[in-house]
Amino acid sequence: GESVGLHLPTLSVQEGDNSIINCAYSNSASDYFIWYKQESGKGPQFIIDIRSNMDKRQGQRVTVLLNKTVKHLSLQIAATQPGDSAVYFCAEVNQGGKLIFGQGTELSVKP
Amino acid sequence: DAGVTQSPTHLIKTRGQQVTLRCSPISGHKSVSWYQQVLGQGPQFIFQYYEKEERGRGNFPDRFSARQFPNYSSELNVNALLLGDSALYLCASSTADRVDTQYFGPGTRLTVL
Repeated sequence: GESVGLHLPTLSVQEGDNSIINCAYSNSASDYFIWYKQESGKGPQFIIDIRSNMDKRQGQRVTVLLNKTVKHLSLQIAATQPGDSAVYFCAEVNQGGKLIFGQGTELSVKP
Repeated sequence: DAGVTQSPTHLIKTRGQQVTLRCSPISGHKSVSWYQQVLGQGPQFIFQYYEKEERGRGNFPDRFSARQFPNYSSELNVNALLLGDSALYLCASSTADRVDTQYFGPGTRLTVL
């Protein structure tokens, strides 16, 4: 039958504020996680990654936190800018070495 | 440097038809992966090819097939199209068979009527 797209969770923030995007993953055996940013009309773009032997990793204006106990990832964006408006996906690498993407969160930045 | 390129950008087909999508990886990249992204969802893995050999296949029916050429470009074929095949088809390339180094193309938007 015809597939129906799901309504994406949305997050609206004011320019200059910090953003926190959350993600729950399914496989406790996954040991590598990646955050992607997807702008309209473009493919996913790598933001930051983290391995399961870490609980925090920082990049330029972005921080990823990993809580293996509750299988939860978060992406923190500092001083959010209009150019950060996009859909953000977390992805886990499964035991077969393949990427499994989450549903995604749409971030909207208000000027 | 050119990134991953895909053609065509958009495509409209009717149910039952067949479609071929094309991908050119970044120069020097030997691995190509294909993903299907339905509106409002994350990409789903379809195939991975490395050095012209299939290295993985996702949970897709046999109507979906792919191949990789000696120049590392790739084609994704879908036969007997269904309405549910309407999606953005993404290609990603990497230097090795590691998914953590993948670079995505802009995708081909397929609409099945």
